[in-house]
Amino acid sequence: AQSVAQPEDQVNVAEGNPLTVKCTYSVSGNPYLFWYVQYPNRGLQFLLKYITGDNLVKGSYGFEAEFNKSQTSFHLKKPSALVSDSALYFCAVRSTTDSWGKFQFGAGTQVVVTP
Amino acid sequence: DSGVTQTPKHLITATGQRVTLRCSPRSGDLSVYWYQQSLDQGLQFLIQYYNGEERAKGNILERFSAQQFPDLHSELNLSSLELGDSALYFCASSVDALGNTIYFGEGSWLTVV
Repeated sequence: AQSVAQPEDQVNVAEGNPLTVKCTYSVSGNPYLFWYVQYPNRGLQFLLKYITGDNLVKGSYGFEAEFNKSQTSFHLKKPSALVSDSALYFCAVRSTTDSWGKFQFGAGTQVVVTP
Repeated sequence: DSGVTQTPKHLITATGQRVTLRCSPRSGDLSVYWYQQSLDQGLQFLIQYYNGEERAKGNILERFSAQQFPDLHSELNLSSLELGDSALYFCASSVDALGNTIYFGEGSWLTVV
């Protein structure tokens, strides 16, 4: 079985400050890891993914995430947050041993960036 | 714009009724996924189709069914609706069955009254 935990329901950060959204996972086998963002009344937008290779993955809108196998984590980061980054962020995992595309999503973390 | 199109965007219906939600995947994508998003359950995987065939089932109720047509569009049928079925229903698509990246539509808001 696979699972994803986003330990924080909400993250508050001031504009210009670094932003971190935490994600830990559990899978049998190796993971494929993803971050998606959902703006109000919109669908989920793909931000970035880790499949293999470099542990630091760069994605859209200046976001990056670091895969840490020993800590089973895939935290999302942005060096300088913008008010427009305020949204709901989802971490997702899929096991490489899955023969089909079942993604397990976390509960989501609401990011609030204040001016 | 992800390229995944869902209709209708909003739907209000009464308990006991049946509705059909429609999804057109991105051009070239063969796999379609349906997800349900509600406040108490989060984002729940319902079902996946690949090139017309059911590939995987998640937490889909027996009152719900789906299919993928030869032109690759998909429909999610929800019947005997209950108040608890009120949710945002997302369709997503990917180019293959493994879904190394899936792209979501804007969702269909279903309100059951």
